[in-house]
Amino acid sequence: NAGVTQTPKFQVLKTGQSMTLQCAQDMNHEYMSWYRQDPGMGLRLIHYSVGAGITDQGEVPNGYNVSRSTTEDFPLRLLSAAPSQTSVYFCASREGSGGWYNEQFFGPGTRLTVL
Amino acid sequence: AQTVTQSQPEMSVQEAETVTLSCTYDTSESDYYLFWYKQPPSRQMILVIRQEAYKQQNATENRFSVNFQKAAKSFSLKISDSQLGDAAMYFCAVQGAQKLVFGQGTRLTINP
Repeated sequence: NAGVTQTPKFQVLKTGQSMTLQCAQDMNHEYMSWYRQDPGMGLRLIHYSVGAGITDQGEVPNGYNVSRSTTEDFPLRLLSAAPSQTSVYFCASREGSGGWYNEQFFGPGTRLTVL
Repeated sequence: AQTVTQSQPEMSVQEAETVTLSCTYDTSESDYYLFWYKQPPSRQMILVIRQEAYKQQNATENRFSVNFQKAAKSFSLKISDSQLGDAAMYFCAVQGAQKLVFGQGTRLTINP
């Protein structure tokens, strides 16, 4: 199993550009989520999904869009990039929407810089 | 809503010694779970230990153990016999109905 994969690993954008961060998992996990990590602030939840076709907002959803058309994929779209979105982005998945005790598996992260 | 506070931005310990990382949390949910994750310089998030809030017995995983005080909403991590490979950022997190909320992290340095 590849686990959780994210592409790209690094990205530089100009203000106002849009892009999609890709996330895929091959563990047949129902639950997937996106976090951003900023210095001194830990990881903050952006959006999450409890299954294909179902998404919801986390703590910091503004400026981001998600969809979940398959169990495997959960892309994160930046609609119009801003310097405040410079961060490291992590995708994660875990088994079962009701399995709160289950370990979340994290991807390797994407470092995004917005100029 | 859930909040997690790690009051120690940085900690250091001598190799082979014991260190305790602090974590307090707040949640309005009656059922929840608590986790400690480790993030080494590679940036990969690694689960260290987890605790079910309804269990009074503290979780233990080899050299890692927790002190869970439910009434005080405290969930500290103890690392015994510290090793150089333990150097990392450590994050405390609380899992509620759908959301996993993290603290700000504690950077642990191991002195040889």
